[in-house]
Order: sequence, then structure tokens, then C-alpha cells
Amino acid sequence: DAGVTQSPTHLIKTRGQQVTLRCSPKSGHDTVSWYQQALGQGPQFIFQYYEEEERQRGNFPDRFSGHQFPNYSSELNVNALLLGDSALYLCASSSDLSSGNTIYFGEGSWLTVV
Amino acid sequence: GIQVEQSPPDLILQEGANSTLRCNFSDSVNNLQWFHQNPWGQLINLFYIPSGTKQNGRLSATTVATERYSLLYISSSQTTDSGVYFCSGNQFYFGTGTSLTVIP
Repeated sequence: DAGVTQSPTHLIKTRGQQVTLRCSPKSGHDTVSWYQQALGQGPQFIFQYYEEEERQRGNFPDRFSGHQFPNYSSELNVNALLLGDSALYLCASSSDLSSGNTIYFGEGSWLTVV
Repeated sequence: GIQVEQSPPDLILQEGANSTLRCNFSDSVNNLQWFHQNPWGQLINLFYIPSGTKQNGRLSATTVATERYSLLYISSSQTTDSGVYFCSGNQFYFGTGTSLTVIP
């Protein structure tokens, strides 16, 4: 049973560029959430997708956008990259959020903006 | 948003010692979970514990929802317990973590 998978694992981008990160949820899960974790900090919630719609959003600018596909996989897009966007980006999946099920995290994508 | 405070921020233990980590929430939360983040960055589920007490081997957790706090107990600590421990509420709110180092 594959867990949550993310790609790429590491990447380096130049300030002003755009980046796309990808996530495949755990088998049987239909809800995907994205988090940004800066060094020494806890994960910060970016947004959550369910049934291909953004259901919840944290305090992140519009440069951060996402998408969920019919197979429940998801992408996180960040435009006009800033140096401060350098962080670990985590994807988590869950099933039937309203029932309070556990979320499971992928290994993350380490983004460095230079 | 809800504020999550974790204490202590840093903890150094001798192997075999016991410890208690605490998580306080500024408001009521659902879906309270504890995670362990390994040195490579992956967050591993420890407990889903919106209320009550659960145990898993040397680890146990207690949540008192009415008082908006949760405790994680680690007994007979091992070097592999080292890492950062996070609690989260509602799946959206995370604390800043407790960094645990267990020395042999």
C-alpha cells in the first residue's frame, strides 16, 4: 500500500521563477492538504483540496495556487518565487475529513530559491 | 487562527530517561494529532487523540479537550526517539515543536 508520494524531492529555483510540486495521496484517500515548513518552524497550512475544489485556505498570497485531479493527486504551484519561499513543502492526505481521520504526510519537497 | 504552544522547546535526555511533552491550544480543536519529524523531514503519525488516553509501546498520549491541552509521554527513551515532535489541531494548526535529543 503506497503512502503519500511527493515529487521532486529537491529542487533549486531562481527568484522570480515558477515552480510546480506534485503529490499522490495514500490509496483510498480523497483529501489533500499542502503545508510550508521553514527551517526551525512548524508546518504552516497553505490549502486543502477535496473533490477537485479548494476547501480551506491558510494565510498565503495568491502566488500560491493548487489543483486536484480526478484521481485525487494534487499540484502546488508557486509563482514569482521569493527568497523567503525557500522551505520544505509537505503534502498530506486523509479520507473523509469530516469524520476526523488521521492525516498522513509525504516525505516533502525541499525548495531552495536563489 | 488558533495558537498552539508546545513545551519545552528543546529537551536533552540520557538514554533510558522518561519525558513529558506538552501542547496547549488557544481554542478548542478537533483532530488533535502528535507527529514525530525525523532528520530527513518526514512527519510520522504517533497518535490521533482528540480526547482521552492512548498508548503505543513506550509512547502514550493524553488529551484533556475541556482544558485544551495534550501531553505526550516517552518512557525509556532511545536514541531513535531523537527528532522534533509536533502536535496539531484541526489538521491546520501546528505548534513550533519540541526538539528532543537522546544521548547514549
